Amino acid sequence: DIQLTQSPSSLAASVGDRVTITCQASQDISYYLNWYQHKPGKAPKLLIYDADRLDVGVPSRFSGSGSGTHFTLTISSLQSEDIAAYFCHQYDNLPFTFGQGTRLEIK
Amino acid sequence: QVQLVESGGGVVRPGGSLRLSCAASGFTFKTYGMHWARQAPGKGLEWLAFVPYDDSNKYYGDSVKGRFTISRDNSRETLFLQMSGLRPEDTAVYFCAKDLKGYFDSGSPLGDWGQGTLVTVSA
Repeated sequence: DIQLTQSPSSLAASVGDRVTITCQASQDISYYLNWYQHKPGKAPKLLIYDADRLDVGVPSRFSGSGSGTHFTLTISSLQSEDIAAYFCHQYDNLPFTFGQGTRLEIK
Repeated sequence: QVQLVESGGGVVRPGGSLRLSCAASGFTFKTYGMHWARQAPGKGLEWLAFVPYDDSNKYYGDSVKGRFTISRDNSRETLFLQMSGLRPEDTAVYFCAKDLKGYFDSGSPLGDWGQGTLVTVSA
């Protein structure tokens, strides 16, 4: 199975900060990497798919990059509503797998 | 708009069984692959199972293979997860999710999710 390693596992930042989360795959997964936002008690929300494609309705401050084994999710200017957990997810190979998550807090 | 509503969660004893349902609306159910995922208390998301739009195959994560069965009823626009041999470590909120892209028989990004249903496995 493909392992996804996210870093950091938690992060505290200030409103307006640029935030970057990374996801490292245990083998080449091309561009088959997605990012989700998950707030407590809510349904997870797809933010970025295929490494760098913004899902419909997602604010443009979110962006994704990478290919192969190294991927990043960037929030260009952190807003208070961005407080959540973020997960990467690969669908290159079944079984699909998620990263362990990054918990984002406001400093 | 897309709606996915899970039901069937509850408290069950170790070794017991439970069937979860996911009622879909707002899209052409029979043209999208469907997934189950879960989140245990204090843990991250775990992908569990996938069934393609045409029910041609079923795929499972290692932790549930042989114990859980995913199925779909396209006429009722409903997804199911039959869980047996339940263990305390299966305690989690269970989510159903829809493929982002239609007509993919090997899965695509999970585009829409339900709110989840809680399963508690405890004596």
